[in-house]
Amino acid sequence: AQSVTQLDSQVPVFEEAPVELRCNYSSSVSVYLFWYVQYPNQGLQLLLKYLSGSTLVKGINGFEAEFNKSQTSFHLRKPSVHISDTAEYFCAVSVGGYNKLIFGAGTRLAVHP
Amino acid sequence: NAGVTQTPKFQVLKTGQSMTLQCAQDMNHEYMSWYRQDPGMGLRLIHYSVGAGITDQGEVPNGYNVSRSTTEDFPLRLLSAAPSQTSVYFCASSYSDTYGAPLHFGNGTRLTVT
Repeated sequence: AQSVTQLDSQVPVFEEAPVELRCNYSSSVSVYLFWYVQYPNQGLQLLLKYLSGSTLVKGINGFEAEFNKSQTSFHLRKPSVHISDTAEYFCAVSVGGYNKLIFGAGTRLAVHP
Repeated sequence: NAGVTQTPKFQVLKTGQSMTLQCAQDMNHEYMSWYRQDPGMGLRLIHYSVGAGITDQGEVPNGYNVSRSTTEDFPLRLLSAAPSQTSVYFCASSYSDTYGAPLHFGNGTRLTVT
């Protein structure tokens, strides 16, 4: 069965520092990988996605992620975070067709001044 | 542009009561789905639909019913509410049922069952 593991439930970081949110997946077939962000009291928004091609994917708000097939990872990075990046971030994998997503448990990013 | 609209925003039910969570989208999306979000568990797929008249079960369908009579609407029915159904429910839609088409989420319905 496919699964997604987000290795950190909470990540505190100071403003303008770099951040990495870690995501590992398990699947025996080709996968399509996503990062979504959830701001307080809102639904999720797509940050970026990997379908094929270049393993380095750039998304909105300065985020990027790297697909590593050998390590089955899809870590999210940002070189310099802002207070406004405080949110919960979800890694997800799409398998089995029809856009069905399996989500990780989420990582709460807290950016402090 | 309203996007995906969910009503109500909050709901409290007693065990055994039934209710319908409403979801409507104005983007002419064929694919719609329902997720529940629980602390420490991320989001889990309840039911989904690839078009009017077509629905299927997701990961956690027990206790929930859906129907899709129009492209715009995809209501989720709780037949007999249980405390285990206390959760935040999200409706999402997409222009395509193929891999990679981004999901557009509503703002959620917070349900408490006492």
